[in-house]
Amino acid sequence: KNEVEQSPQNLTAQEGEFITINCSYSVGISALHWLQQHPGGGIVSLFMLSSGKKKHGRLIATINIQEKHSSLHITASHPRDSAVYICAVHPAQFVNQFYFGTGTSLTVIP
Amino acid sequence: NAGVTQTPKFQVLKTGQSMTLQCAQDMNHNSMYWYRQDPGMGLRLIYYSASEGTTDKGEVPNGYNVSRLNKREFSLRLESAAPSQTSVYFCASTQNYGYTFGSGTRLTVV
Repeated sequence: KNEVEQSPQNLTAQEGEFITINCSYSVGISALHWLQQHPGGGIVSLFMLSSGKKKHGRLIATINIQEKHSSLHITASHPRDSAVYICAVHPAQFVNQFYFGTGTSLTVIP
Repeated sequence: NAGVTQTPKFQVLKTGQSMTLQCAQDMNHNSMYWYRQDPGMGLRLIYYSASEGTTDKGEVPNGYNVSRLNKREFSLRLESAAPSQTSVYFCASTQNYGYTFGSGTRLTVV
């Protein structure tokens, strides 16, 4: 049983395309994170959300708490956006736990 | 720069050897975590420490031990390495839902 499901697992896009990655979760949460991992690289936190929408540059993250769903959007995608994007939730029931999705591997072709 | 520092970045061990992965954070975070990341499986929690002096098992603790030496440092020890422990290991710390990862340790056990 996986508390966090991401889709798609793999995504290939042409440079400039608008990209959406989805995350659904099955538990009540206190917060949700979107993480980015470049090939062979470390993990960087892009966003932390507990409601609504956040924007940083070309990245936009939204969350719908009632539907237990979040999306990460990338506008005007660029090859440097190629990475694995991971959704992680902070469950309300367990203060010190995080549940992770298995990630979405994005490749942006020039 | 503030953050989470992990050492070493790479390590090759022979089966049966022991080693300690070091992690230190300078953000005064209470909670620290050790994860392993394997292809297709996402991040899995090995151990975590909610505060100085406390540690708890995560999803995959077998074959590992941890020490929360002080608020800054959280080490992971492999007493007798096995090929199944070949993985990338990440340390992380959190405070108020903010989440910071170390750069990872790529461990190969031959």
